[in-house]
Amino acid sequence: GNSVTQMEGPVTLSEEAFLTINCTYTATGYPSLFWYVQYPGEGLQLLLKATKADDKGSNKGFEATYRKETTSFHLEKGSVQVSDSAVYFCALGGYQKVTFGTGTKLQVIP
Amino acid sequence: DSGVTQTPKHLITATGQRVTLRCSPRSGDLSVYWYQQSLDQGLQFLIQYYNGEERAKGNILERFSAQQFPDLHSELNLSSLELGDSALYFCASSPGTGSYNEQFFGPGTRLTVL
Repeated sequence: GNSVTQMEGPVTLSEEAFLTINCTYTATGYPSLFWYVQYPGEGLQLLLKATKADDKGSNKGFEATYRKETTSFHLEKGSVQVSDSAVYFCALGGYQKVTFGTGTKLQVIP
Repeated sequence: DSGVTQTPKHLITATGQRVTLRCSPRSGDLSVYWYQQSLDQGLQFLIQYYNGEERAKGNILERFSAQQFPDLHSELNLSSLELGDSALYFCASSPGTGSYNEQFFGPGTRLTVL
């Protein structure tokens, strides 16, 4: 079946540092890939997505590229802010249900 | 605001009791998904309904059941509650049946079982 593996947290960074959260997946067919973000006390919301190989999703300074050859969808941001502190979920979608990773908690300190 | 509403926001009850969580999807969305989020289990998919019919089942306990009504709102029923059922329960919706497109999440219901 489908699976998503993302790096364990928590990740603690200073403001303006570079962020990478690794995500790899196992899937049959051609899934869509997502990054969702959950701010404290809220539900998940879509951060970005990519629907085919080599697509790059981007939003709010975050980027991730759908790499079929390495089955990866790593999340990056060049300069994080305190307001980026949240839990980030990598997810895989296809014909059936969405498969979520375990989430990575990011804490950005001033 | 995702357009998905969930009630109640908080629920405190005792072991052995039964509760009902309610979800209204975004206007026009036919699929509703239920998830459980706890500290030790992460985000667990429970069940999906599409236009009133059960579409996919995940790690849903036999003590839990759900349904989607003709107006597309959904209810998740949790019975014989145990301490371990304490968690955040999220509802999400999407237009279609598959999961190639994004899901829109509600704000969640926090269930505390004492």
